[in-house]
Amino acid sequence: EAQVTQNPRYLITVTGKKLTVTCSQNMNHEYMSWYRQDPGLGLRQIYYSMNVEVTDKGDVPEGYKVSRKEKRNFPLILESPSPNQTSLYFCASRLAGGRETQYFGPGTRLLVL
Amino acid sequence: DQQVKQNSPSLSVQEGRISILNCDYTNSMFDYFLWYKKYPAEGPTFLISISSIKDKNEDGRFTVFLNKSAKHLSLHIVPSQPGDSAVYFCAATSSGNTGKLIFGQGTTLQVKP
Repeated sequence: EAQVTQNPRYLITVTGKKLTVTCSQNMNHEYMSWYRQDPGLGLRQIYYSMNVEVTDKGDVPEGYKVSRKEKRNFPLILESPSPNQTSLYFCASRLAGGRETQYFGPGTRLLVL
Repeated sequence: DQQVKQNSPSLSVQEGRISILNCDYTNSMFDYFLWYKKYPAEGPTFLISISSIKDKNEDGRFTVFLNKSAKHLSLHIVPSQPGDSAVYFCAATSSGNTGKLIFGQGTTLQVKP
C-alpha cells in the first residue's frame, strides 16, 4: 500500500531533550516536506527536500533540523525542544512536479513540557 | 501575513443540503489551488484542485469555483453527507516556487443527519 508513515504518533517530552520524528514513504517520491498544524494557523511548512541531500527551509524552520540521506526517509530533529514546539506535525511527499498531489502521513502529536 | 485565509472556523449544515466553504487569498502570483480534507487522527488527503486558467472544476459531489478578480475560491458539496464532516483546508501555490503549498487555517464542517 502506498503510504507515508510517521513515528512516533504521540510523544510527550521535556524541554531540552533531543528527539527525532521519523518519516518514510514507499512511493519513490522526490519531494518531501514537514508541516506543523496549530489552532488558527493552519499548516505551516517547516522544511522541505527536493531530493536526496537537497533540503531547504520552509516558513517556520527555527528550532528544527532535517536530513535526507535516502530518498524514502526524511527525519525531523528537534535538538532542544521547547514548549512552543508543542504541535501536531505532518510529513508529506509527492513526485517532483509542482502540481503533483501531496500525500500526508497520519501525524505526530508532540507535547513539550 | 496570512496569504490564504479561511475566515469561517466552522460550518454546520443539514444532511442533503449544500455546504459552501470559502477561501480568500492575497498573492496574485498564486495560479493553482487545492482543497484538502482532514479527519481526526489522520493526515490531510487531497480532495480537488483548480488551475487559474479555469473558473470551475467538478468532481462528483464536489465543485470548486475560482473568482480571480476577487481572489476568492469556494468549495461546494452537494448533497452533503455525514461522512463529509471533517476539517477542510484550502491551499495555494504558484509556478516556479518549488510547488510550495500555502495553507489556510481550515474550516470544520459538521453535517448533521
